[in-house]
Amino acid sequence: QSVLTQPPSVSAAPGQKVTISCSGSTSNIGNDYVSWYQQLPGTAPKLLIYDNNKRPSGIPDRFSGSKSGTSATLGITGLQTGDEADYYCGTWDSSLSAYVFGTGTTVTVL
Amino acid sequence: EVQVVESGGGLVQPGGSLRLSCAASGLTFSNYWMNWVRQAPGKGLEWVANIKQDGSEKYYVDSVRGRFTVSRDNAENSVYLQMNSLRVEDTAVYYCHGSYAPADFWGQGTLVTVSS
Repeated sequence: QSVLTQPPSVSAAPGQKVTISCSGSTSNIGNDYVSWYQQLPGTAPKLLIYDNNKRPSGIPDRFSGSKSGTSATLGITGLQTGDEADYYCGTWDSSLSAYVFGTGTTVTVL
Repeated sequence: EVQVVESGGGLVQPGGSLRLSCAASGLTFSNYWMNWVRQAPGKGLEWVANIKQDGSEKYYVDSVRGRFTVSRDNAENSVYLQMNSLRVEDTAVYYCHGSYAPADFWGQGTLVTVSS
């Protein structure tokens, strides 16, 4: 059972915005940077956001990240059918001395 | 261009062993923390283990500590996962993952099936 909680699914129409929450604790999100990963069906995950709110080269600015206290949020604007995927947050947990992923959220474009 | 090749997966009986390998090219491998991440069929991502750039630090998820060993050979641009005393619940696709923010790469995954 993951220590980072995400909603199982979110959905919106093309062009709309979705947000995905990631709730943790003082030993993980409250203590370290958060990353977000996108996993398209049948493929390996890909880094979308690192250090809470930074985008690697090649990631469109439709994707954004933020963190406040022990929670983090991924935002996707201008939703496209190609954004249908599973999204995971992740960070280091100092109490477990382990990296932890969120439970994962499936984004559906209606 | 970064290329990552994983190998070593397969079918093994409970209690058996496997050694996974991950070879990367097109990057400075020694800059990267290397992780192993697994995904059971239809489930989410689970971090398994990681190893620091010089191999001086290694960490494991509780469920594999004492059974799995991560190692690396920077001269060969490779990371390994020795898996012993395998259990049915270790069945998953195993990904190698290199992290050196913002640089980040993933292998294609190799399937490990533990079954009698």
